[in-house]
Amino acid sequence: AQRVTQPEKLLSVFKGAPVELKCNYSYSGSPELFWYVQYSRQRLQLLLRHISRESIKGFTADLNKGETSFHLKKPFAQEEDSAMYYCALGGATNKLIFGTGTLLAVQP
Amino acid sequence: EAGVTQFPSHSVIEKGQTVTLRCDPISGHDNLYWYRRVMGKEIKFLLHFVKESKQDESGMPNNRFLAERTGGTYSTLKVQPAELEDSGVYFCASSQFFQETQYFGPGTRLLVL
Repeated sequence: AQRVTQPEKLLSVFKGAPVELKCNYSYSGSPELFWYVQYSRQRLQLLLRHISRESIKGFTADLNKGETSFHLKKPFAQEEDSAMYYCALGGATNKLIFGTGTLLAVQP
Repeated sequence: EAGVTQFPSHSVIEKGQTVTLRCDPISGHDNLYWYRRVMGKEIKFLLHFVKESKQDESGMPNNRFLAERTGGTYSTLKVQPAELEDSGVYFCASSQFFQETQYFGPGTRLLVL
Protein backbone atom coordinates (compact mmCIF):
# COMPACT_ATOMS: atom_id res chain seq x y z
CA ALA A 1 0.00 0.00 0.00
CA GLN A 2 1.15 3.52 -0.73
CA ARG A 3 1.61 5.48 2.44
CA VAL A 4 3.47 8.49 3.83
CA THR A 5 4.30 8.71 7.51
CA GLN A 6 5.24 11.88 9.34
CA PRO A 7 5.73 10.76 12.92
CA GLU A 8 5.83 14.18 14.55
CA LYS A 9 2.69 16.31 14.78
CA LEU A 10 4.63 19.18 16.31
CA LEU A 11 8.29 20.09 16.28
CA SER A 12 9.40 23.04 18.37
CA VAL A 13 12.93 24.44 18.05
CA PHE A 14 14.73 27.64 18.90
CA LYS A 15 15.87 30.10 16.28
CA GLY A 16 19.27 29.11 14.94
CA ALA A 17 18.89 25.44 15.88
CA PRO A 18 18.99 22.68 13.26
CA VAL A 19 15.72 21.27 12.01
CA GLU A 20 14.87 17.81 10.75
CA LEU A 21 11.32 16.94 9.77
CA LYS A 22 10.93 13.22 9.29
CA CYS A 23 9.14 11.54 6.42
CA ASN A 24 8.98 7.85 5.59
CA TYR A 25 7.13 6.35 2.68
CA SER A 26 5.88 3.03 1.43
CA TYR A 27 5.71 2.55 -2.33
CA SER A 28 6.47 -0.39 -4.57
CA GLY A 29 7.37 1.57 -7.68
CA SER A 30 9.73 4.43 -8.39
CA PRO A 31 8.69 7.16 -5.96
CA GLU A 32 8.59 10.86 -6.48
CA LEU A 33 8.74 12.75 -3.21
CA PHE A 34 7.74 16.31 -2.41
CA TRP A 35 7.66 18.65 0.54
CA TYR A 36 4.81 21.14 0.62
CA VAL A 37 4.54 23.98 3.13
CA GLN A 38 1.58 25.98 4.34
CA TYR A 39 2.36 29.25 6.12
CA SER A 40 -0.29 30.87 8.27
CA ARG A 41 -3.18 32.18 6.15
CA GLN A 42 -1.50 31.12 2.93
CA ARG A 43 -2.11 28.33 0.47
CA LEU A 44 -0.24 25.08 0.25
CA GLN A 45 2.88 25.57 -1.84
CA LEU A 46 5.65 23.37 -3.08
CA LEU A 47 8.86 23.69 -1.09
CA LEU A 48 10.95 21.17 -2.97
CA ARG A 49 10.84 17.90 -4.87
CA HIS A 50 13.51 15.26 -4.82
CA ILE A 51 13.92 15.12 -8.58
CA SER A 52 15.10 18.72 -8.81
CA ARG A 53 17.62 18.38 -5.97
CA GLU A 54 17.31 22.11 -5.23
CA SER A 55 17.77 23.86 -1.93
CA ILE A 56 14.86 26.19 -1.23
CA LYS A 57 14.96 28.70 1.64
CA GLY A 58 17.90 26.76 3.03
CA PHE A 59 15.96 23.48 3.19
CA THR A 60 17.24 20.27 1.66
CA ALA A 61 15.90 16.74 1.48
CA ASP A 62 17.59 13.59 0.27
CA LEU A 63 15.73 10.56 -0.94
CA ASN A 64 17.04 7.46 0.81
CA LYS A 65 15.54 4.46 -0.95
CA GLY A 66 17.17 2.00 1.43
CA GLU A 67 15.48 3.58 4.44
CA THR A 68 12.46 4.74 2.40
CA SER A 69 12.88 8.20 3.85
CA PHE A 70 12.81 11.77 2.62
CA HIS A 71 13.61 13.85 5.68
CA LEU A 72 13.60 17.63 5.40
CA LYS A 73 16.55 19.44 6.93
CA LYS A 74 17.73 22.96 7.58
CA PRO A 75 20.91 23.78 9.50
CA PHE A 76 19.68 27.00 11.14
CA ALA A 77 15.97 27.57 11.73
CA GLN A 78 14.45 31.02 11.27
CA GLU A 79 11.24 32.30 12.84
CA GLU A 80 9.71 32.70 9.40
CA ASP A 81 10.08 28.94 8.88
CA SER A 82 7.21 28.37 11.31
CA ALA A 83 4.53 26.62 9.26
CA MET A 84 2.83 23.31 8.56
CA TYR A 85 4.98 20.97 6.49
CA TYR A 86 3.59 18.10 4.46
CA CYS A 87 5.53 15.30 2.86
CA ALA A 88 3.86 13.90 -0.25
CA LEU A 89 4.38 10.91 -2.50
CA GLY A 90 3.68 10.92 -6.20
CA GLY A 91 3.92 8.07 -8.62
CA ALA A 92 2.71 6.77 -11.91
CA THR A 93 -0.85 7.91 -11.37
CA ASN A 94 0.05 11.52 -10.60
CA LYS A 95 -2.12 11.77 -7.51
CA LEU A 96 -0.32 12.96 -4.42
CA ILE A 97 -0.43 10.97 -1.21
CA PHE A 98 0.14 13.21 1.77
CA GLY A 99 1.39 12.59 5.26
CA THR A 100 -0.50 14.03 8.20
CA GLY A 101 1.83 17.01 8.39
CA THR A 102 4.23 18.40 10.98
CA LEU A 103 3.76 21.79 12.55
CA LEU A 104 7.13 23.47 12.91
CA ALA A 105 7.28 26.16 15.57
CA VAL A 106 10.47 28.20 15.71
CA GLN A 107 10.82 30.03 19.00
CA PRO A 108 12.73 33.32 19.20
CA GLU B 1 -0.13 35.36 -13.26
CA ALA B 2 -3.23 34.46 -11.24
CA GLY B 3 -2.99 31.29 -9.23
CA VAL B 4 -5.61 28.64 -8.68
CA THR B 5 -8.76 30.18 -7.30
CA GLN B 6 -11.57 28.55 -5.39
CA PHE B 7 -15.05 29.71 -4.51
CA PRO B 8 -16.48 30.04 -1.95
CA SER B 9 -13.77 30.36 0.67
CA HIS B 10 -16.18 29.17 3.35
CA SER B 11 -19.53 27.41 3.31
CA VAL B 12 -21.78 26.47 6.20
CA ILE B 13 -24.74 24.28 5.34
CA GLU B 14 -27.13 21.93 7.09
CA LYS B 15 -27.05 18.20 6.74
CA GLY B 16 -29.06 17.15 3.72
CA GLN B 17 -28.46 20.33 1.75
CA THR B 18 -26.48 20.63 -1.45
CA VAL B 19 -23.26 22.55 -1.89
CA THR B 20 -21.28 23.26 -5.04
CA LEU B 21 -17.62 24.19 -4.89
CA ARG B 22 -15.84 25.80 -7.79
CA CYS B 23 -12.21 25.73 -8.87
CA ASP B 24 -10.55 27.84 -11.55
CA PRO B 25 -7.15 26.41 -12.46
CA ILE B 26 -4.19 28.34 -13.73
CA SER B 27 -4.82 29.29 -17.34
CA GLY B 28 -3.47 26.67 -19.72
CA HIS B 29 -3.29 23.91 -17.12
CA ASP B 30 -4.89 20.79 -18.50
CA ASN B 31 -4.58 18.81 -15.27
CA LEU B 32 -6.93 19.61 -12.41
CA TYR B 33 -7.09 17.80 -9.10
CA TRP B 34 -9.43 17.81 -6.11
CA TYR B 35 -8.24 16.90 -2.63
CA ARG B 36 -9.80 17.25 0.80
CA ARG B 37 -8.72 17.26 4.41
CA VAL B 38 -11.31 16.21 6.92
CA MET B 39 -10.84 17.04 10.58
CA GLY B 40 -7.72 15.48 12.05
CA LYS B 41 -6.88 13.51 8.95
CA GLU B 42 -4.40 13.87 6.13
CA ILE B 43 -5.05 15.58 2.82
CA LYS B 44 -6.57 12.97 0.54
CA PHE B 45 -6.87 12.80 -3.22
CA LEU B 46 -10.38 12.81 -4.66
CA LEU B 47 -10.00 12.94 -8.43
CA HIS B 48 -7.97 14.10 -11.41
CA PHE B 49 -9.17 15.68 -14.64
CA VAL B 50 -7.21 15.92 -17.85
CA LYS B 51 -9.02 18.64 -19.73
CA GLU B 52 -12.67 17.65 -19.44
CA SER B 53 -12.05 13.93 -18.89
CA LYS B 54 -11.86 12.18 -15.55
CA GLN B 55 -8.46 10.50 -15.51
CA ASP B 56 -8.69 9.07 -12.02
CA GLU B 57 -11.64 9.26 -9.64
CA SER B 58 -10.50 6.54 -7.28
CA GLY B 59 -10.60 8.85 -4.28
CA MET B 60 -14.23 9.93 -4.55
CA PRO B 61 -15.81 8.72 -1.32
CA ASN B 62 -19.30 7.88 -2.59
CA ASN B 63 -21.95 8.80 -5.11
CA ARG B 64 -23.00 11.89 -3.16
CA PHE B 65 -19.99 13.59 -4.73
CA LEU B 66 -20.11 14.70 -8.36
CA ALA B 67 -17.28 16.50 -10.11
CA GLU B 68 -17.48 18.11 -13.52
CA ARG B 69 -15.20 20.06 -15.78
CA THR B 70 -17.25 21.05 -18.76
CA GLY B 71 -15.15 22.61 -21.50
CA GLY B 72 -11.96 21.70 -19.74
CA THR B 73 -11.65 25.00 -17.89
CA TYR B 74 -13.10 25.44 -14.42
CA SER B 75 -14.37 22.54 -12.35
CA THR B 76 -17.19 22.11 -9.89
CA LEU B 77 -17.55 19.62 -7.06
CA LYS B 78 -21.08 19.08 -5.87
CA VAL B 79 -22.01 17.33 -2.65
CA GLN B 80 -25.63 16.19 -2.55
CA PRO B 81 -26.90 15.56 0.05
CA ALA B 82 -24.21 16.74 2.43
CA GLU B 83 -23.48 14.72 5.55
CA LEU B 84 -21.71 15.74 8.76
CA GLU B 85 -18.58 13.77 7.84
CA ASP B 86 -18.15 15.84 4.68
CA SER B 87 -16.94 18.78 6.76
CA GLY B 88 -13.38 19.74 6.01
CA VAL B 89 -11.23 21.74 3.64
CA TYR B 90 -11.51 21.02 -0.07
CA PHE B 91 -8.45 21.87 -2.13
CA CYS B 92 -8.09 22.18 -5.85
CA ALA B 93 -4.76 22.00 -7.66
CA SER B 94 -3.64 22.25 -11.24
CA SER B 95 -0.60 21.40 -13.32
CA GLN B 96 0.30 22.05 -16.91
CA PHE B 97 1.66 18.65 -17.77
CA PHE B 98 1.36 15.20 -16.31
CA GLN B 99 3.64 14.72 -13.29
CA GLU B 100 4.58 18.37 -13.14
CA THR B 101 4.32 20.45 -10.00
CA GLN B 102 0.77 20.80 -8.71
CA TYR B 103 -0.22 24.33 -7.69
CA PHE B 104 -2.84 24.52 -4.99
CA GLY B 105 -5.73 26.87 -4.44
CA PRO B 106 -6.54 28.39 -1.04
CA GLY B 107 -9.18 25.78 -0.31
CA THR B 108 -12.87 25.90 0.57
CA ARG B 109 -13.76 25.30 4.21
CA LEU B 110 -17.00 23.34 4.35
CA LEU B 111 -18.92 22.92 7.57
CA VAL B 112 -21.97 20.68 7.61
CA LEU B 113 -24.18 21.15 10.68
